[in-house]
Amino acid sequence: KQEVTQIPAALSVPEGENLVLNCSFTDSAIYNLQWFRQDPGKGLTSLLLIQSSQREQTSGRLNASLDKSSGRSTLYIAASQPGDSATYLCAVGAGNTGKLIFGQGTTLQVKP
Amino acid sequence: KAGVTQTPRYLIKTRGQQVTLSCSPISGHRSVSWYQQTPGQGLQFLFEYFSETQRNKGNFPGRFSGRQFSNSRSEMNVSTLELGDSALYLCASSPANHEQFFGPGTRLTVL
Repeated sequence: KQEVTQIPAALSVPEGENLVLNCSFTDSAIYNLQWFRQDPGKGLTSLLLIQSSQREQTSGRLNASLDKSSGRSTLYIAASQPGDSATYLCAVGAGNTGKLIFGQGTTLQVKP
Repeated sequence: KAGVTQTPRYLIKTRGQQVTLSCSPISGHRSVSWYQQTPGQGLQFLFEYFSETQRNKGNFPGRFSGRQFSNSRSEMNVSTLELGDSALYLCASSPANHEQFFGPGTRLTVL
């Protein structure tokens, strides 16, 4: 059974810092991996999608990497801003369907 | 392009009642998935519909059901509501590459 873990559960950093969020999964036979952002009481915003054949994806200040053999993904946020404060969720696609298995998330606070 | 929409946004029901939630996917997306989010269990997959057929199902009791219409809009129904069904219910639609796009959710409170 696939399990997804995100460490740390919470993180507080000063504005301008570069930071890394971690995601690990137990079964390397994944279809894809997606990173989301969730603001309090809101839905999820897709940040990056990495297909199983890819090693990384970039969007603006965000870079996500995928290492299937070690069961890990990282989300790198450059030059963090207070507007980046949110919960970041990692989700693994279990097969050629829409089913995602989520981690518990990392709640990020960026202080001005 | 309009995003995923969900109605209603908020619902208050009492135990034993039933509820129907609606989801309209992004135009052109044929897959719709439903998730339940609670503080204790996080985000859990309920089911996925593709071309009006249930393609995948999570580990939830039969009180949770859904359907998809020919225009890809989907509904989710929960019968005989329990206190533990209080949650944020999220709908997601996806194109062929399975990137999931989520709606704002329906907040269900069961009293």
